[in-house]
Amino acid sequence: AQKVTQAQTEISVVEKEDVTLDCVYETRDTTYYLFWYKQPPSGELVFLIRRNSFDEQNEISGRYSWNFQKSTSSFNFTITASQVVDSAVYFCALSATGGGNKLTFGTGTQLKVEL
Amino acid sequence: GAGVSQSPSNKVTEKGKDVELRCDPISGHTALYWYRQSLGQGLEFLIYFQGNSAPDKSGLPSDRFSAERTGGSVSTLTIQRTQQEDSAVYLCASSSPTGLNTEAFFGQGTRLTVV
Repeated sequence: AQKVTQAQTEISVVEKEDVTLDCVYETRDTTYYLFWYKQPPSGELVFLIRRNSFDEQNEISGRYSWNFQKSTSSFNFTITASQVVDSAVYFCALSATGGGNKLTFGTGTQLKVEL
Repeated sequence: GAGVSQSPSNKVTEKGKDVELRCDPISGHTALYWYRQSLGQGLEFLIYFQGNSAPDKSGLPSDRFSAERTGGSVSTLTIQRTQQEDSAVYLCASSSPTGLNTEAFFGQGTRLTVV
């Protein structure tokens, strides 16, 4: 079975603060993929990043960075110098070879960035 | 089109009526998913189509729910004898065949309200 846990239901920060969104996953597969999606108030889910289980190298894209640690089954997402436009619900997701291409989502973290 | 298109964007129906929700995936994408998002909740997997393979229907909540995909492209999700608990946003996503577990692109969803 596959499971994704996002323990943080809601986070509020002040603009320019750094914020980390936690994601912990469970799978018995050795080959799997992890994803982050952003859901702004408009509702459409926007793909942010995909990582495979064999690549633990951290990734940085502008103000976004991701820390993948297999030892703790975590795939955390950090936004540096947050902005109001970052306010959204962020979903972590997992897919594994055992489950085909089916994405299993966490329950999401609502991020509110205030001035 | 450039993205995944869903119609209608909003649907209000009376309890007990049948509804059909439509999804036009990105051209060339062989994988198509349906998810449901209830108010303030995460994404619940419903059904997954991949090419000509038998669909994964393991997420359908009851036999009132069914989906088909004609010609490997457009998909229709049908809910029979709608109930109030069916009220949710129904999201469709598609992904390309270029590799296992490629990212899924989501439509803007159909907001279904059962009154």
